[in-house]
Amino acid sequence: AQKVTQAQTEISVVEKEDVTLDCVYETRDTTYYLFWYKQPPSGELVFLIRRNSFDEQNEISGRYSWNFQKSTSSFNFTITASQVVDSAVYFCALSEAVYTNAGKSTFGDGTTLTVKP
Amino acid sequence: EPEVTQTPSHQVTQMGQEVILRCVPISNHLYFYWYRQILGQKVEFLVSFYNNEISEKSEIFDDQFSVERPDGSNFTLKIRSTKLEDSAMYFCASSTQGARTEAFFGQGTRLTVV
Repeated sequence: AQKVTQAQTEISVVEKEDVTLDCVYETRDTTYYLFWYKQPPSGELVFLIRRNSFDEQNEISGRYSWNFQKSTSSFNFTITASQVVDSAVYFCALSEAVYTNAGKSTFGDGTTLTVKP
Repeated sequence: EPEVTQTPSHQVTQMGQEVILRCVPISNHLYFYWYRQILGQKVEFLVSFYNNEISEKSEIFDDQFSVERPDGSNFTLKIRSTKLEDSAMYFCASSTQGARTEAFFGQGTRLTVV
């Protein structure tokens, strides 16, 4: 069974601080996909990044960066120089690709990030 | 930019009534999903749909629920005999290649059962 743990329920930072959101996953599959989604106060889910289990390269996109480490089953997300607009709930998700190709995603509980001016 | 659209954005229904939540996935996507998010909680998988049939469903998706793709563009979730605990945000999503690609989510339909 797949499981995603986001141990940080809430994080509060002051604007321009860096912040890292942790994600730890469990899966028995060798092929899987990891995602991060952002849910702003308006409620929609916004896709941020996808990583497959064979690609451990870290990725940077502007102020966002992701650190994928299979050895620790972690896929952490860092926001550099945070801004008020980054305030949202962030979800880490996992899809396994063994039994079906349908891509059912298991989400973590989410981390609520509040960036104060 | 293509997007998944859901209607209505908010629906209020009386307990015991049937509701149909509607979704128009992105046109070239082949995999469709419904997820549920009870207020303040995690996003939970309900069902995935591919090639005109359910490919996987969660234990939440019992006989009260059904999905349908009545034509080439719409994807619906029907909830029969709604209960108070069905109150949640329901998200429709679609993807091109299932697990290998990201799912794009609609804005959600907030269902309130009174």
